[in-house]
Amino acid sequence: GAGVSQSPRYKVAKRGQDVALRCDPISGHVSLFWYQQALGQGPEFLTYFQNEAQLDKSGLPSDRFFAERPEGSVSTLKIQRTQQEDSAVYLCASSIRLAGGSYNEQFFGPGTRLTVL
Amino acid sequence: AQSVTQPDIHITVSEGASLELRCNYSYGATPYLFWYVQSPGQGLQLLLKYFSGDTLVQGIKGFEAEFKRSQSSFNLRKPSVHWSDAAEYFCAGGSKFSGGYNKLIFGAGTRLAVHP
Repeated sequence: GAGVSQSPRYKVAKRGQDVALRCDPISGHVSLFWYQQALGQGPEFLTYFQNEAQLDKSGLPSDRFFAERPEGSVSTLKIQRTQQEDSAVYLCASSIRLAGGSYNEQFFGPGTRLTVL
Repeated sequence: AQSVTQPDIHITVSEGASLELRCNYSYGATPYLFWYVQSPGQGLQLLLKYFSGDTLVQGIKGFEAEFKRSQSSFNLRKPSVHWSDAAEYFCAGGSKFSGGYNKLIFGAGTRLAVHP
């Protein structure tokens, strides 16, 4: 596709339910990021993938959060036993990784708004 | 710790007026700096970025930003605001990590309202 897509766009979950959020990055983009944006705040880094390898998961707030990218393209962010504090917009971004480690712009998807009741 | 601060939560300007949105950063070295815009229901769109060199950078939609090391600032400006500029604006900083990727740190955002 032309850009990063995310699904669902909106998700309402009851406290304690498990949810799965999907990200389709731009074709050919090696790098994939997940961010969490709480209401009235800026996005906060959750985790980073380079192809299928999860190189950085330092931002995941608890062991209830799990992300995967098994084939190096589509990624899924899973939240187990959702809590009210998990309510936020979850943004996915992808970037191409050029040789030499030069800066690579991150392209963001529209996000998934998760509401936990 | 690395941080990005946007002191203004809300700003209201009249259409046609000039605009300046403030951003301050705290990094050990000169970071990469960015301004993003987010419209309701939309993803973040990159307006402009600074890596090094010329401290005045031009972006899309008529925006520019000036990097001032002495003030640790990277303020966004536009000489004449249009009603369509109403949105949330985020300043972000990044630094190259050993893995060659950039973990962005965002400010809390400034919501811009434009009066006709």
